[in-house]
Order: sequence, then structure tokens, then C-alpha cells
Amino acid sequence: YELTQPPSLSVSPGQTASISCSGHELVDKNVYWYQHKPGRSPVLVIYEDNKRPSGIPERFSGSNAGNTATLTISGTQAMDEADYYCQAWDIGTEVFGGGTKLTVL
Amino acid sequence: QVQLVESGGGVVQPGTSLRLSCAASGFTFNTYAMYWVRQAPGKGLEWVATLSYVGSNDFYGDSVKGRFTISRDFSRSTLFLQMNSLRPEDTAVYYCAKSRSGDYGRGMDVWGQGTTVTVSS
Repeated sequence: YELTQPPSLSVSPGQTASISCSGHELVDKNVYWYQHKPGRSPVLVIYEDNKRPSGIPERFSGSNAGNTATLTISGTQAMDEADYYCQAWDIGTEVFGGGTKLTVL
Repeated sequence: QVQLVESGGGVVQPGTSLRLSCAASGFTFNTYAMYWVRQAPGKGLEWVATLSYVGSNDFYGDSVKGRFTISRDFSRSTLFLQMNSLRPEDTAVYYCAKSRSGDYGRGMDVWGQGTTVTVSS
């Protein structure tokens, strides 16, 4: 099973960033999103398609329909600059997307 | 607080072995599946292995299957990754991670700081 993400995305501060993750009939799976900054450990920002763990700002949201899941960051801030990975489970394997580098400039 | 601390990384030659450890604290270790995930230099996150919360089911990525073994010591709340027949392409930062909820397939909500493995002659 494969998950495909765009390699990069650039947004201006205050704009909305939408990062896509595509996979065959992805809507039938739970999708997870991780934020990963250089030199830091990954952080879970969305679980089960659209739920936010405690401590994750409300500007992070998620959706999943058809073959595409989307992570949306509303009012993007400079601190949101990071690599973002989608992830799903498929018959015993944990699959990560290739990651999207979000630049805020 | 919930914490995972990896250790055991280092520089090794191709074909040799290494065992990574991940000390868990702040949660009931025997009620969560655990994972190893790695990131090679300049690459994305790659899932390596999963061990179920009871320790009876293990799963591996294709690139490490047959060479790596994941295990856990419940008495010490420690996760291990035994890596044999190491290759240069195994060079990466290795993270251990905890299942968000019970068994596997439910996301990873806590990650360690990572330990670096370099395989080079």
C-alpha cells in the first residue's frame, strides 16, 4: 500500500496550508498526521482522520474522503514550518507518506 | 510524564549486529503496542517494526524482514530492536514510538528522541 504526498508547499503567514495524502480507497482507513521539525521527534497532530490530540492548536484539522486525506492548517504561523507525514495501517504494516516540507515565508 | 528513551546506536561495519533499546516510563508498558521507525539522512520516516501489546505479534518492513527482530521486556519496561546483517542503507536515526491506543494500527502518540545508527566500512 502506498501513500503519496506533494514534496513541498509554501504559504505566507496567516494563510491556510492544505497538505494532501493520496492512497487507494484511503477513506476506508484511519489516517494519522505527524509534524516533524529538524532535530526534534515527530509529533502526532491529527489522529483518526480528523481528531486533535490534547495540546495541538485548533488551527490544525484533518479530513478524509475517497482516495485523499487532507491536513489543513488555518492561519499558518512561522512555528508550523516543518515536514508533515501522513500515515495509515494496512494489514499489519504501518505506511508513511513520503512527507511534505511546509515552508512559511 | 510519558517518556521513551532510546540507546544503543553507534558506528558499525557492514554485516555486523547492533541492539537498540528503548526505556519506557510514565505509562503501563504492557497495554500498548510499540514501534520502531527510522529516518535515513535526507529521507522521510520509514516504519521498521511493530510489536503487539502482549508481545505475541510482530510485523516488519520489507527492507528489514529476516534481519531485524523486535522484542520487549515487560519486567524492565523496555523495547528492543536486534539488528543483524547491517547494511549501509540501514544508516538512520531510529525512533521508538508508543501506540496511541492499545494495540497496533492506531497511530503513534509518543516518540523517543532517537538514536543514530551509522553503518560504514
